[in-house]
Amino acid sequence: RKEVEQDPGPFNVPEGATVAFNCTYSNSASQSFFWYRQDCRKEPKLLMSVYSSGNEDGRFTAQLNRASQYISLLIRDSKLSDSATYLCVVMGDYKLSFGAGTTVTVRA
Amino acid sequence: ETGVTQTPRHLVMGMTNKKSLKCEQHLGHNAMYWYKQSAKKPLELMFVYNFKEQTENNSVPSRFSPECPNSSHLFLHLHTLQPEDSALYLCASSQVVTGGSRDEKLFFGSGTQLSVL
Repeated sequence: RKEVEQDPGPFNVPEGATVAFNCTYSNSASQSFFWYRQDCRKEPKLLMSVYSSGNEDGRFTAQLNRASQYISLLIRDSKLSDSATYLCVVMGDYKLSFGAGTTVTVRA
Repeated sequence: ETGVTQTPRHLVMGMTNKKSLKCEQHLGHNAMYWYKQSAKKPLELMFVYNFKEQTENNSVPSRFSPECPNSSHLFLHLHTLQPEDSALYLCASSQVVTGGSRDEKLFFGSGTQLSVL
């Protein structure tokens, strides 16, 4: 089983729509969780950390479900500029594991 | 904009060539990393340097040779590569916090897109 699994998508949504996707992880002792954003042919950049109580940053909401071992990212009021690949990153045993990414395409 | 700079941005090399990738971080971090990203695959950690000492080498073939002369600079020397080594090579840095645990937040360079012919 992969350490971190993501639905590759693509999720094609119209501007203004809400899109949400999950990421599952295999190590129940994982300690920290993050979402990174990667634009085509560019480097990943930290989007947000994911906290146990769930957290929000503008139009982005991240949640953690330890019992079912997944994290989620929800994007409200999608903008064209949200088109990117979203990487799930999980830290366990002092090691970072990356998912292969979920691609989101927002169309006008 | 980025605090981590990588050169070159693109590299095409034959299987018999020798080349080097360069990375420099301007963030005052003390840990640096090399990652490999192949299409549709997760990032793979190759090497980690903490305080200039190599602390991880994830079974990377010897045709990849890292060098970390100081905490701001990192190189990846390449020789006799194979076509399957074609990928995006990303350098990253982070800050090792007190007690030795690594700060999880990574700052990436823009990467080197490598093609091996």
